Amino acid sequence: QKEVEQDPGPLSVPEGAIVSLNCTYSNSAFQYFMWYRQYSRKGPELLMYTYSSGNKEDGRFTAQVDKSSKYISLFIRDSQPSDSATYLCAMSEVAAGNKLTFGGGTRVLVKP
Amino acid sequence: EAQVTQNPRYLITVTGKKLTVTCSQNMNHEYMSWYRQDPGLGLRQIYYSMNVEVTDKGDVPEGYKVSRKEKRNFPLILESPSPNQTSLYFCASSFLSRDPLADEKLFFGSGTQLSVL
Repeated sequence: QKEVEQDPGPLSVPEGAIVSLNCTYSNSAFQYFMWYRQYSRKGPELLMYTYSSGNKEDGRFTAQVDKSSKYISLFIRDSQPSDSATYLCAMSEVAAGNKLTFGGGTRVLVKP
Repeated sequence: EAQVTQNPRYLITVTGKKLTVTCSQNMNHEYMSWYRQDPGLGLRQIYYSMNVEVTDKGDVPEGYKVSRKEKRNFPLILESPSPNQTSLYFCASSFLSRDPLADEKLFFGSGTQLSVL
């Protein structure tokens, strides 16, 4: 069983819809939770960063962490075709420095 | 412009022929790392380095070597490539996370698509 599970998709939504992405994990030592966006033929770029449980909002993006359920989510409101990409969740333990464990990524397609 | 530069972008080689993928960053980052990305498996860490002359194994180090002789460069070496090393490789760098609450952003290069025949 993988440490971090993520549905590969693809997830296809119409423009303007809410995109809902999630990851589950098994390692209770994870404290830091991130979402990366990766466009085709590009490296991942950091979208959201959350420490421990709770919500974080940045523009159209909202990240949620539920440590009791070992479940994290990313919501994209008012989705645009430019949001079409693969979204990767990543996590790290307190003592692991910059060592990240990634999910497999969910491919999202926003149709005009 | 702040960036992580990998070369080459695409590489086709044959089994057993030694190759090196270069990685350079211009942000004075202490931390550098190599990942491979395979369909359905996400990004898996190969090796990482906390500073010059300090390197350590990640989750999938077999068949790879690295060196960190200078702060800006972190080459990935495949001494005897095999077909199971066909993958998309990413180099990444960041400042070290000294403050647990600091958002130490990991910058990624654009990737190297390697095919080993």
